[in-house]
Amino acid sequence: DSGVTQTPKHLITATGQRVTLRCSPRSGDLSVYWYQQSLDQGLQFLIQYYNGEERAKGNILERFSAQQFPDLHSELNLSSLELGDSALYFCASSPQGGSHPYEQYFGPGTRLTVT
Amino acid sequence: LAKTTQPISMDSYEGQEVNITCSHNNIATNDYITWYQQFPSQGPRFIIQGYKTKVTNEVASLFIPADRKSSTLSLPRVSLSDTAVYYCLVGDQGNAGNMLTFGGGTRLMVKP
Repeated sequence: DSGVTQTPKHLITATGQRVTLRCSPRSGDLSVYWYQQSLDQGLQFLIQYYNGEERAKGNILERFSAQQFPDLHSELNLSSLELGDSALYFCASSPQGGSHPYEQYFGPGTRLTVT
Repeated sequence: LAKTTQPISMDSYEGQEVNITCSHNNIATNDYITWYQQFPSQGPRFIIQGYKTKVTNEVASLFIPADRKSSTLSLPRVSLSDTAVYYCLVGDQGNAGNMLTFGGGTRLMVKP
């Protein structure tokens, strides 16, 4: 157990819909990262937040958005869903000033199926 | 952005030592080399990280030659439960955050 929680575990929705994925980082971790893993694209970085502020952006579509709240939990919003958005979405967190700069703790993921 | 190249797959048997080599010719001076393990339908798990020479922890060893253009993850005496995908990553110093850039990984199959 990494200490990172994600809800829901599974989500099935239709094309055109909007969903929200939630992530709670490990206690004390200020950074939250979102990744998407699909069969054809592999694991891809989407976006990072640090203490409420957007820190880095990767291959995140304009239909997707995220935020980090004052209690440090984060939400990833996916809208106008397409079949190709079906994937595993992982959230990860990392501590400030950890012993390993690239050590991240991943949650169990949310499996999104768009039908 | 330093790209990494590693074998797509490897097979081994229980009790053997497994060495997975990763090539990163364009590694930058400040980049770290990090390895992650991922089981099916689970999030990746940090294994080990190094900058140069050799690093060892309770799970694995990481060997990095002086030119740092490659690295080798060594798993001693693997078991069936080590069957997983192993990712070699090089720290992306071009962005403000320590985002991870995953390549295709090496799918390790451990057989009885």
